Amino acid sequence: GNSVTQMEGPVTLSEEAFLTINCTYTATGYPSLFWYVQYPGEGLQLLLKATKADDKGSNKGFEATYRKETTSFHLEKGSVQVSDSAVYFCALSGFGNEKLTFGTGTRLTIIP
Amino acid sequence: GAVVSQHPSRVICKSGTSVKIECRSLDFQATTMFWYRQFPKQSLMLMATSNEGSKATYEQGVEKDKFLINHASLTLSTLTVTSAHPEDSSFYICSAEGTSGYYEQYFGPGTRLTVT
Repeated sequence: GNSVTQMEGPVTLSEEAFLTINCTYTATGYPSLFWYVQYPGEGLQLLLKATKADDKGSNKGFEATYRKETTSFHLEKGSVQVSDSAVYFCALSGFGNEKLTFGTGTRLTIIP
Repeated sequence: GAVVSQHPSRVICKSGTSVKIECRSLDFQATTMFWYRQFPKQSLMLMATSNEGSKATYEQGVEKDKFLINHASLTLSTLTVTSAHPEDSSFYICSAEGTSGYYEQYFGPGTRLTVT
């Protein structure tokens, strides 16, 4: 079945540091890949997505590239801010399947 | 666009009572909505898939009679926790499937249920 393996947290960085949160997946066919962000006490917000190999999703300075050869979708940001502190979830939806499979989430804390 | 609301945001109920949570897609129609449960510091657990006009599809291990789901219109799905017990206390999140064709989901802000 489908699965998502996500870098375990928590991750603590200083403001303006470079961020990478690793995500790898297992799926048959051609899944769509997503990063969601959850701020404290809130639901999930779609951060970015990629629907085919080599696509790059980007939003709010975050980027992730769909790498089929390495089955990865790592999240990166060049310079993080305190407001980026949240839990980040990597997810996929299988080809022809509407259900989302989530990773376990990575808690990110940015300190001034 | 693609805003999903949930009501209430927080609810406290006594053990043995039932509580209803609403999930609405505000600016788009959603034939499919999902209900998740999130435990502290954990990922989301899919409870059921709700399709407008038909019975919900429950994930393995989720009690259908305890978690009643109704998707009566293209913009509203409800989850009713019946005969609630303290172990039902959790963060319940709904989502609605977008119309892009790539199965992306838009999430509500969640409902914190506390059963005393």
